[in-house]
Amino acid sequence: DTGVSQNPRHKITKRGQNVTFRCDPISEHNRLYWYRQTLGQGPEFLTYFQNEAQLEKSRLLSDRFSAERPKGSFSTLEIQRTEQGDSAMYLCASSLSLAGGSEQYFGPGTRLTVT
Amino acid sequence: DQQVKQNSPSLSVQEGRISILNCDYTNSMFDYFLWYKKYPAEGPTFLISISSIKDKNEDGRFTVFLNKSAKHLSLHIVPSQPGDSAVYFCAASRKTSYDKVIFGPGTSLSVIP
Repeated sequence: DTGVSQNPRHKITKRGQNVTFRCDPISEHNRLYWYRQTLGQGPEFLTYFQNEAQLEKSRLLSDRFSAERPKGSFSTLEIQRTEQGDSAMYLCASSLSLAGGSEQYFGPGTRLTVT
Repeated sequence: DQQVKQNSPSLSVQEGRISILNCDYTNSMFDYFLWYKKYPAEGPTFLISISSIKDKNEDGRFTVFLNKSAKHLSLHIVPSQPGDSAVYFCAASRKTSYDKVIFGPGTSLSVIP
């Protein structure tokens, strides 16, 4: 396994359109996370899954955002009615749940530009 | 409200010297801290972590120090190498929610040959 992959790497869309991103985690990892990163900031937590269950969502995740992980493997993040403020790098990470904390492995991200 | 702060946006160090990256946090409930490194066009890569029950953790050239009373941690890189040039993110989480990691804004380190 070569790590976490994300597709597409870049997406340019017009305001008001819907977009969907895909994340494929490391195969044995049961936890999957989505983050958003804007220029000059660190990644901001959006949501995470343990297997197929979405366990936590940030207040940053408005009702235009939805994430799924239907079979506990890959995940999709959909943004409906995109706004210019949605322009950012969307990062996916995965980990193997361990007591006492575990490191998260990040994918390369999907850069979204809303025009 | 930024719970994890990295007040130096950038740092330049000569090759072979020590790099010291600083991080402050405001939430006393944080008890697990991590450093990530990020190269352009790549996702962040885990570097080193420390639990609040320790005040130091070392991994090769990288050492993280934690001062809980000051809510401060630092990452030391000795000796610094040009390949260490990257953005370094400090991050923190709570025992009750290890998976919700809060990242600082990052410090861009340049190691000059």
